[in-house]
Amino acid sequence: EPEVTQTPSHQVTQMGQEVILRCVPISNHLYFYWYRQILGQKVEFLVSFYNNEISEKSEIFDDQFSVERPDGSNFTLKIRSTKLEDSAMYFCASSEALAGGYEQYFGPGTRLTVT
Amino acid sequence: RKEVEQDPGPFNVPEGATVAFNCTYSNSASQSFFWYRQDCRKEPKLLMSVYSSGNEDGRFTAQLNRASQYISLLIRDSKLSDSATYLCVVNIESSYKLIFGSGTRLLVRP
Repeated sequence: EPEVTQTPSHQVTQMGQEVILRCVPISNHLYFYWYRQILGQKVEFLVSFYNNEISEKSEIFDDQFSVERPDGSNFTLKIRSTKLEDSAMYFCASSEALAGGYEQYFGPGTRLTVT
Repeated sequence: RKEVEQDPGPFNVPEGATVAFNCTYSNSASQSFFWYRQDCRKEPKLLMSVYSSGNEDGRFTAQLNRASQYISLLIRDSKLSDSATYLCVVNIESSYKLIFGSGTRLLVRP
């Protein structure tokens, strides 16, 4: 069964450093997403991406965040200057289309720890 | 008012029990509804979409009441492996994002 994959599984970084989180969505999916979950809190939407551009973003997704699809398979989330409050689990998701009830499938996540 | 509201639990039930989870949503423009399950420190996994007519998948039955803005999930014959957090999730018309509830924790004991 096709799966969304993410690397690394755990990233530790110092405050102020840049991090890039990587995702490989399911191969025939066209819509890509990033969510985050701070420990003990609910899953929160960050951004959606379609046809090489951002289709929607949340208030959390400020200028320090960016997304990119550098090639035909990878989808990345960059945090330019990490803050302590960026520590969270970051999930990538993908969906085949906007039709069909928007079923989104999630990767295993990257745990980001900012020290 | 929270966009998606769930009883946090935990629900502690014996194996074989039937358990029901409820969820309410605040935005009447919500158009798609899902139940996901999440194991500790793992990703949300799609359990089932919820359709207006109600739907069943094995031991799991989901119901939607648009008039009351209410979604439910019934689990029959609970297994130990059903222990997890169950997330009520909503998508709003013309939006790409999923809106998650905080989840209801289920513990199934032997």
